[in-house]
Amino acid sequence: GAGVSQSPRYKVAKRGQDVALRCDPISGHVSLFWYQQALGQGPEFLTYFQNEAQLDKSGLPSDRFFAERPEGSVSTLKIQRTQQEDSAVYLCASSLGGLGGDYEQYFGPGTRLTVT
Amino acid sequence: SQQGEEDPQALSIQEGENATMNCSYKTSINNLQWYRQNSGRGLVHLILIRSNEREKHSGRLRVTLDTSKKSSSLLITASRAADTASYFCARESGSRLTFGEGTQLTVNP
Repeated sequence: GAGVSQSPRYKVAKRGQDVALRCDPISGHVSLFWYQQALGQGPEFLTYFQNEAQLDKSGLPSDRFFAERPEGSVSTLKIQRTQQEDSAVYLCASSLGGLGGDYEQYFGPGTRLTVT
Repeated sequence: SQQGEEDPQALSIQEGENATMNCSYKTSINNLQWYRQNSGRGLVHLILIRSNEREKHSGRLRVTLDTSKKSSSLLITASRAADTASYFCARESGSRLTFGEGTQLTVNP
């Protein structure tokens, strides 16, 4: 079956614009995660959904960041009033099971956001 | 901020040699996972070791975990040029993975 897909793959936004990044997880995967990866760094956790419930959003860097997964499948990460420090690769991952179940995460290719 | 530290930051070896990467962490974990990332691509899961396991093998990969020292190592045996990538350890606690900063491995043909 298909893996995790993300769109767009690349996004250039002018500072102050709003952007929306989409993630299509693997079908049937309960959990969905968003990460932010700066150049040369490891991914940093942003938020976690189990089905449609957002169980952990403690990694979101500011209230300009908002994520949703209304039907427990596709998720959207929205960034309002983008700033240059938001430039990064945004990775989405999904896993079959939920909390603490030793499930591996399957990552999408990421969306590279550049704010000019 | 990252809560796993990886060592070395960069490693360059010849094809056929073994590569060892180390990872340390600070808090308790459910499991520890290793991922590979080729330049400009997403992460690929390599191996998961549970907190009650000490060693795990998968093909040319061997992972050890020492919870008393809060450290793990990834050994790649008989390396190939295609193993060139960044390698990250990630500790799972609760619902999240916390990644280290990675080791950039270069395998020269």
